Amino acid sequence: DGGITQSPKYLFRKEGQNVTLSCEQNLNHDAMYWYRQDPGQGLRLIYYSQIVNDFQKGDIAEGYSVSREKKESFPLTVTSAQKNPTAFYLCASSIGRQGYEQYFGPGTRLTVT
Amino acid sequence: GENVEQHPSTLSVQEGDSAVIKCTYSDSASNYFPWYKQELGKGPQLIIDIRSNVGEKKDQRIAVTLNKTAKHFSLHITETQPEDSAVYFCAASMGGGADGLTFGKGTHLIIQP
Repeated sequence: DGGITQSPKYLFRKEGQNVTLSCEQNLNHDAMYWYRQDPGQGLRLIYYSQIVNDFQKGDIAEGYSVSREKKESFPLTVTSAQKNPTAFYLCASSIGRQGYEQYFGPGTRLTVT
Repeated sequence: GENVEQHPSTLSVQEGDSAVIKCTYSDSASNYFPWYKQELGKGPQLIIDIRSNVGEKKDQRIAVTLNKTAKHFSLHITETQPEDSAVYFCAASMGGGADGLTFGKGTHLIIQP
């Protein structure tokens, strides 16, 4: 099956710990994105990558880090510097600069206590 | 940066009636406007999109209209069915979304039997 996978579906962490969320795609897409969704809110862009070994900050990058070592993988690390890390995290991908449509994974719900 | 306003936040319609959700955007350079449907606990699903060189696009019971002069676009769902109940998000972007999407805050559509 082609698509975007995110794991795990639910993640629980203690305050002060870093945590890494996984995002994998087998669509052969060049571009990948991370968004954050809070209850009753729209999605906000954290980081994006249009090509391997390159990524850009989105609107709310503070307290997050990413890497893009492989085309199919774009992991997101939520660091202890992120003040309100509890949220629903969504990964998306698109063909790239010549394509428009972004397709989303099922999301990871992170709870930090 | 871009700002997207979405109305209404909640919309309740009788099954079989039409539903209309409206969005406005702030940056006249935006050229790509997708709509997503999100069911509880899942990732958003792209249902229709429109580019700035087109005024209207239809796909079965769903249509989107774009007014570039007024900087607003709308989602129209006809003959609504129970499975249309979900949260709908509009988004806007420049460069076809390559640098990420700016989302509205969502509309909770409720289809009354």
